[in-house]
Amino acid sequence: GAGVSQSPSNKVTEKGKDVELRCDPISGHTALYWYRQSLGQGLEFLIYFQGNSAPDKSGLPSDRFSAERTGGSVSTLTIQRTQQEDSAVYLCASSLQRETGELFFGEGSRLTVL
Amino acid sequence: DQQVKQNSPSLSVQEGRISILNCDYTNSMFDYFLWYKKYPAEGPTFLISISSIKDKNEDGRFTVFLNKSAKHLSLHIVPSQPGDSAVYFCAANWGANKLVFGAGTILRVKS
Repeated sequence: GAGVSQSPSNKVTEKGKDVELRCDPISGHTALYWYRQSLGQGLEFLIYFQGNSAPDKSGLPSDRFSAERTGGSVSTLTIQRTQQEDSAVYLCASSLQRETGELFFGEGSRLTVL
Repeated sequence: DQQVKQNSPSLSVQEGRISILNCDYTNSMFDYFLWYKKYPAEGPTFLISISSIKDKNEDGRFTVFLNKSAKHLSLHIVPSQPGDSAVYFCAANWGANKLVFGAGTILRVKS
């Protein structure tokens, strides 16, 4: 498809395990964003990539969270030693037009930490 | 510190009537505002936007109004349709690095 693709769509893990979430942005989109939505909450910004660099990672909640982007395309969000409060839907978005901020979102990866 | 606030968690409207969703912001540096719509188990989709140099933008049944002095914007949907039932997020942008989202308003359009 031509949209933003995320995998896995659902992930259940035990507390303390590491998880990786993947995002394939729309081809040609140079900007990539990770957001998360916890139950009953709005969308919380995590990190922004322009190309392969991350000029804004101010939203990462702790040093257990990291993200990388390779080839100006695929991005991986890694959560180490997961905690129950990490349970949320993790949304990836990409954008072509930096000036307007219009983002195209994937369907999200629902993470449940038991 | 919530820079974008949607104070109504939910709104229920009869089909054919007007839906008005409200949003307030605190950061006067915001220069672009957007509304996103989200269905369950799907990602948010862009609906309509407005630049801070305008006070109104219209697209079909959807109109966004911006009151800069009050730091307030609203989304009007008229006439409302059952398919409009979704969560609506207000978002604001400056510096083009990221969008700041509100907590969302659940709209239910009753037929």
